[in-house]
Amino acid sequence: GAGVSQSPSNKVTEKGKDVELRCDPISGHTALYWYRQSLGQGLEFLIYFQGNSAPDKSGLPSDRFSAERTGGSVSTLTIQRTQQEDSAVYLCASSFASPGGETQYFGPGTRLLVL
Amino acid sequence: DAKTTQPNSMESNEEEPVHLPCNHSTISGTDYIHWYRQLPSQGPEYVIHGLTSNVNNRMASLAIAEDRKSSTLILHRATLRDAAVYYCIPRRWGAGSYQLTFGKGTKLSVIP
Repeated sequence: GAGVSQSPSNKVTEKGKDVELRCDPISGHTALYWYRQSLGQGLEFLIYFQGNSAPDKSGLPSDRFSAERTGGSVSTLTIQRTQQEDSAVYLCASSFASPGGETQYFGPGTRLLVL
Repeated sequence: DAKTTQPNSMESNEEEPVHLPCNHSTISGTDYIHWYRQLPSQGPEYVIHGLTSNVNNRMASLAIAEDRKSSTLILHRATLRDAAVYYCIPRRWGAGSYQLTFGKGTKLSVIP
């Protein structure tokens, strides 16, 4: 079946511009996560959506970052007034609850470069 | 969360078995052991998970020590596509610790 898809796959933008990154999770998955990964670094958690519950935004690094999930499916991560330190790969994952903890399925990521 | 220790890197010849170890001596009784991997320039990929018994799936096998303080991910025949960083992650079911936290992992190189 179809996996998690993300768009665009690459994005180059100028400092100060806003960007929107999109995630289409696997159909039927109730949980959706955004992470980012800088070159050679580990995963940095950003935000978590679970069903109709209020999202956990505790990982968002600043108020320039926001995310929405419409209709319990597609999610958009928005970065306003981008800075060079925002350059990273932004990864989306979705999951269904399974015994032993949720198995997360990742998209290919969006590579963001802020010039 | 339980701490994990994995070798920084390992090498394997193509088509030979690979045993990737992980120590998790502080694991609690309710933590499952998950393995993910990340191929170059790709998002992480779930591999396998287990609690106490050894587990098999189409990708790999997971051997869990009787005292659960260590586990071994087994790739039965390494292929070039298996070259990746492998992460061992103890995860507690239902405790709200839903976000994945990767340690340094083991970088597996597969030699043709």
